[in-house]
Amino acid sequence: QKEVEQNSGPLSVPEGAIASLNCTYSDRGSQSFFWYRQYSGKSPELIMFIYSNGDKEDGRFTAQLNKASQYVSLLIRDSQPSDSATYLCAVRSYNQGGKLIFGQGTELSVKP
Amino acid sequence: DGGITQSPKYLFRKEGQNVTLSCEQNLNHDAMYWYRQDPGQGLRLIYYSQIVNDFQKGDIAEGYSVSREKKESFPLTVTSAQKNPTAFYLCASKGNSGANVLTFGAGSRLTVL
Repeated sequence: QKEVEQNSGPLSVPEGAIASLNCTYSDRGSQSFFWYRQYSGKSPELIMFIYSNGDKEDGRFTAQLNKASQYVSLLIRDSQPSDSATYLCAVRSYNQGGKLIFGQGTELSVKP
Repeated sequence: DGGITQSPKYLFRKEGQNVTLSCEQNLNHDAMYWYRQDPGQGLRLIYYSQIVNDFQKGDIAEGYSVSREKKESFPLTVTSAQKNPTAFYLCASKGNSGANVLTFGAGSRLTVL
């Protein structure tokens, strides 16, 4: 079992729809969760992070964390073609010396 | 502007050659990291350093070496021992407080001919 798993996609949604990106992790000692966006050929850039169970909203983005189910998700409301990118989920576990473990990423395509 | 500078952006290497990728940061961050990314893959940790003159192996350190002689600089050498070095290499640093978020450089793309 991979430590951090994401569906590789591609996930295709129409412009204006809600895109839902999911991530599961195996280490119950995980304490910090991050979502990065990576455009093709570019480096990852942070969208948001979440530490506590529940939802965290930032503009059109909402991160959801459920530690009991070892599940974190990212919702993108009113998706735009400019949101088309690969979204990387990353998990930090202090059981592993605080290393940041990345999933393989989900490719999102927003169609006009 | 504060940030992380990686160079070169593109690099071509013949088999059997060592190459060094530069990473410089002016964010005053203590911790620095090197990741490798292959097509369709997530990031894999090569080496990291939490303080000057100290560094640790990550998950795929074989065939790579690093140094951390200055806080600002964390160069990565890809040696001839690395079996499949063609990849996108990303340097990152982590803030000393707050959310401990990783900030990435623009990356270096290495191609072995």
